[in-house]
Amino acid sequence: AQKVTQAQTEISVVEKEDVTLDCVYETRDTTYYLFWYKQPPSGELVFLIRRNSFDEQNEISGRYSWNFQKSTSSFNFTITASQVVDSAVYFCALLGDSNYQLIWGAGTKLIIKP
Amino acid sequence: EAGVAQSPRYKIIEKRQSVAFWCNPISGHATLYWYQQILGQGPKLLIQFQNNGVVDDSQLPKDRFSAERLKGVDSTLKIQPAKLEDSAVYLCASSESGTSVWEQFFGPGTRLTVL
Repeated sequence: AQKVTQAQTEISVVEKEDVTLDCVYETRDTTYYLFWYKQPPSGELVFLIRRNSFDEQNEISGRYSWNFQKSTSSFNFTITASQVVDSAVYFCALLGDSNYQLIWGAGTKLIIKP
Repeated sequence: EAGVAQSPRYKIIEKRQSVAFWCNPISGHATLYWYQQILGQGPKLLIQFQNNGVVDDSQLPKDRFSAERLKGVDSTLKIQPAKLEDSAVYLCASSESGTSVWEQFFGPGTRLTVL
C-alpha cells in the first residue's frame, strides 16, 4: 500500500528562522514521483516541486530546498530565513506508477510569527 | 494565463438538500480532477476525467455524488442529498497530461457547510 506521513501537525517559528518539514513515504513501486504543495489561507493549492524516484539530487530554489533520501524514504522540505508569507499548510504527495493516483499526506501547518 | 475557476466559493445548505459546484479548467487541459478536502486532511480524489470520459471514480460515493464534464471542458459536481459529513472544501484541478505526473493546477475551492 502507498502512504505518505507528515508527522508534524503544526510548526511555529519566528521570522528569519530556518524550518524543515518532514515527509516520509511508503511504496512498493520502483518508479514514483514525490510532490510538495503549498496551501495558503486563501485555500488554493500551489505546486512547489516534483521529484522522480531516480533523481536523488537535492534541489534548491531561492529560500526553498528539498532533501530526497531513498534510503530513509524521506523527502524533506526546508525553508531558509522564513518569512511571514510562508505561513500556510504544506502537503507532501506521492504518485506511484502502479495506479497513477496522488496519495496525500495530512499536511503540516506552518506558522511564521513576525 | 487564467487559472482554474470554481463557483460558488462558499455554500451553506441543510442536510438532505442538493448542491452543485462548477469548475472551468485551464484552457487546453485535457484532465480534470475533483477532490474533497476535509478540514485537517489532505485532498481525496473523487473523480478524474480525461476529456469528457471518466478515468477514475473509485472513491466517488455514487449513491449521492455525481459529476459530468460535457464537451470535455467545464465540469459540474453534484451532491444529492447532502449529509453532514459532506462538509468540506471541494477542489477542482486540471493538468495537461492524462496522468498525474504532470503538475496539477488547483482552483480556489468551494467550501461547503452542511447543517
